[in-house]
Amino acid sequence: DAGVIQSPRHEVTEMGQEVTLRCKPISGHNSLFWYRQTMMRGLELLIYFNNNVPIDDSGMPEDRFSAKMPNASFSTLKIQPSEPRDSAVYFCASSLQMETGRYFGPGTRLTVT
Amino acid sequence: GEDVEQSLFLSVREGDSSVINCTYTDSSSTYLYWYKQEPGAGLQLLTYIFSNMDMKQDQRLTVLLNKKDKHLSLRIADTQTGDSAIYFCAESLNSGGYQKVTFGTGTKLQVIP
Repeated sequence: DAGVIQSPRHEVTEMGQEVTLRCKPISGHNSLFWYRQTMMRGLELLIYFNNNVPIDDSGMPEDRFSAKMPNASFSTLKIQPSEPRDSAVYFCASSLQMETGRYFGPGTRLTVT
Repeated sequence: GEDVEQSLFLSVREGDSSVINCTYTDSSSTYLYWYKQEPGAGLQLLTYIFSNMDMKQDQRLTVLLNKKDKHLSLRIADTQTGDSAIYFCAESLNSGGYQKVTFGTGTKLQVIP
């Protein structure tokens, strides 16, 4: 298995622009997580999907952030409009429902100027 | 609430043993994990221990769990330069039917040749 796939790996954009991050979980995993990692705040859980349904989005910082999972093999995290303070590494992770280890993708490094 | 704490930095000489420590606050943890993050990469699940176990060994890795003191440690025997990375401790709790995982701040391990 290729593991969790994320794209793009790097994104540089200007403040106010829309940013879309993409994730393909490991085949067969039915839980998907979006995390954000910064030096100041460490690793933060943004949202969690189970069987394509959002279960816990309490970590989504603002309405500017939205996430979708239209099917079991694809998810997006969108920021509109983006701000410099959104600069971070965004990770997608997946897991099996009855297995609690999470498998992380390589991350998308987002820079908003 | 859940809180997982780790020291920020550890430096060891190549060939020595490394011991990375972690404390957590919630005694109802079900699983505890160690993840490794190399530069520019996502978190990689190294090993985990079920909360009713005291010890788990996997090749050069030994995990010790002291439930009474809520203390978890990861020992790396014969530390190599390739072990240089950030190590995250995490605890898992049953929360509304899913496993909520809380990560520590990470310990940066520097291996000196």
